[in-house]
Amino acid sequence: RKEVEQDPGPFNVPEGATVAFNCTYSNSASQSFFWYRQDCRKEPKLLMSVYSSGNEDGRFTAQLNRASQYISLLIRDSKLSDSATYLCVVNSGGGADGLTFGKGTHLIIQP
Amino acid sequence: GAGVSQSPSNKVTEKGKDVELRCDPISGHTALYWYRQSLGQGLEFLIYFQGNSAPDKSGLPSDRFSAERTGGSVSTLTIQRTQQEDSAVYLCASSMEKGVTEAFFGQGTRLTVV
Repeated sequence: RKEVEQDPGPFNVPEGATVAFNCTYSNSASQSFFWYRQDCRKEPKLLMSVYSSGNEDGRFTAQLNRASQYISLLIRDSKLSDSATYLCVVNSGGGADGLTFGKGTHLIIQP
Repeated sequence: GAGVSQSPSNKVTEKGKDVELRCDPISGHTALYWYRQSLGQGLEFLIYFQGNSAPDKSGLPSDRFSAERTGGSVSTLTIQRTQQEDSAVYLCASSMEKGVTEAFFGQGTRLTVV
């Protein structure tokens, strides 16, 4: 299967700080990109889709760089409740490929 | 139902027994995925269905694992002669269309092989 690579962390960040994660993918034919959030002992849930033009949802900003094949997630003004594992997900769309998940980046927001 | 439903939520079984895990995807979702996750680990891809067919079975860890999907809806994952290393959370996800839409996960089945 095609690979999706993430820094596993953990990232220990003080409350209120800005934190950024990157994710690289190897399949240049990939078409759709997402960030998921997974809380401890819970299922992953969609945080946001990643569009070519970049997109923002409140304190969260996602960027896609197709030339370099990476995706980023920026969290501003981090909250204690942002502590979770963030999963980068790539969907190649064509052929037999389905969703490919990165191993996730563990974020800990400290008071 | 409104979301992906998995059953049972918890299963404890003796080593060597067979188990069957069920996933009921969101109505109308054509793509269905099975993953497993060991404690503290990332998601491990098992198998993916588009409709009733499984174009990608590359993730099944051994021939003790099999899966089927009928009527383009419910899927079952069967593990034969369970081993202790099969203990994990088995997660099912579905999406409306393979390729562009996000997937929604069920709450998983926590399998413990004793």
